[in-house]
Amino acid sequence: DAGVIQSPRHEVTEMGQEVTLRCKPISGHDYLFWYRQTMMRGLELLIYFNNNVPIDDSGMPEDRFSAKMPNASFSTLKIQPSEPRDSAVYFCASSLYPEAFFGQGTRLTVV
Amino acid sequence: GQSLEQPSEVTAVEGAIVQINCTYQTSGFYGLSWYQQHDGGAPTFLSYNALDGLEETGRFSSFLSRSDSYGYLLLQELQMKDSASYFCAVDAIDAGKSTFGDGTTLTVKP
Repeated sequence: DAGVIQSPRHEVTEMGQEVTLRCKPISGHDYLFWYRQTMMRGLELLIYFNNNVPIDDSGMPEDRFSAKMPNASFSTLKIQPSEPRDSAVYFCASSLYPEAFFGQGTRLTVV
Repeated sequence: GQSLEQPSEVTAVEGAIVQINCTYQTSGFYGLSWYQQHDGGAPTFLSYNALDGLEETGRFSSFLSRSDSYGYLLLQELQMKDSASYFCAVDAIDAGKSTFGDGTTLTVKP
């Protein structure tokens, strides 16, 4: 398996634009997580899914953030509208508990 | 809620042994994990403890004391490539999946 695949690797967008981050988890993993990492706030869990069902989205900062997992092999994290404070590295991870495998992340810059 | 504490920085020399401590507060504790992250890279899983005691994986070992809400990561025979950030992460049944600590930056010097 190629591991967790995220796209794009880098995204630069203007404030107010919609941003969609994509993730393909490792086949057979039943958990999928979205994390955000910044210097100020560290590594924060945004939302996680179990068998494609969202279980806990309490880490999603605002209604501007939404995540979906339409099937076992794909998930998206959408920010609409984006703001400069959303600039961060966003990681997707999949897991067969307890080991989580992280993708290489998407570095988002909102200008 | 959950909280974790770990030192922000640790420095050691090649060949030495270093211990990175992690204390946590949480309800419904399930397990403690450790991850390594190199600059610009993704976190990678190192170890997991659900029961008290020591788990050994090559040069790395991890320890857990549930009664003390405490764990540590032990790195032996340090190599330059071990310079990275190390995160402890706690899983709790009622709080969803892993909450990560702020990380410990390990610098290995020649």
